[in-house]
Amino acid sequence: KAGVTQTPRYLIKTRGQQVTLSCSPISGHRSVSWYQQTPGQGLQFLFEYFSETQRNKGNFPGRFSGRQFSNSRSEMNVSTLELGDSALYLCASSSTGTPGANVLTFGAGSRLTVL
Amino acid sequence: AQSVTQPDIHITVSEGASLELRCNYSYGATPYLFWYVQSPGQGLQLLLKYFSGDTLVQGIKGFEAEFKRSQSSFNLRKPSVHWSDAAEYFCAVGDGTASKLTFGTGTRLQVTL
Repeated sequence: KAGVTQTPRYLIKTRGQQVTLSCSPISGHRSVSWYQQTPGQGLQFLFEYFSETQRNKGNFPGRFSGRQFSNSRSEMNVSTLELGDSALYLCASSSTGTPGANVLTFGAGSRLTVL
Repeated sequence: AQSVTQPDIHITVSEGASLELRCNYSYGATPYLFWYVQSPGQGLQLLLKYFSGDTLVQGIKGFEAEFKRSQSSFNLRKPSVHWSDAAEYFCAVGDGTASKLTFGTGTRLQVTL
């Protein structure tokens, strides 16, 4: 069973640009979540999508957005990039929202560097 | 609001020695607790989880953790550490239904030969 696949793995952008990151969940998983990992702030929840709907959202500015497609693949977009957006962006998928059964499986991440 | 504290930023142990990584949580209801491990440049791998039942849970790679409600702790243990265990370890808490986990700041484990 293939794991969670994130593309691209590494990318470099300049301030003011925008970026789109992609995540393909484990087959059959309908929930996709995104996390930002930085040395200063650690791991922070961005948002979760379930069946193409945003189900939960973290405390990030509107420059951070996402979407989910009918095949459960998800993309996140960051517009007007700032230096502080440099981070490892992790995607995780899970199969269900049933209490006690929701376990996240993470991808390897997309390393974004903003110059 | 829920929170997780990992008081040890960095721990060094000798190969073959025992290991205990501390985790304290703050959560208003029954917590769902997790330990993840991250190797350099990689994503997070689930070591073990606690949802309910037996407070001592077994995970992969010989790790175990004990849930102590009275101490709001979920410490990770391993009886004999291998050099390949060197990595960063994260404790996390969630409500078990959604995918919004709150992570601790992590403990970096170094293993000396």
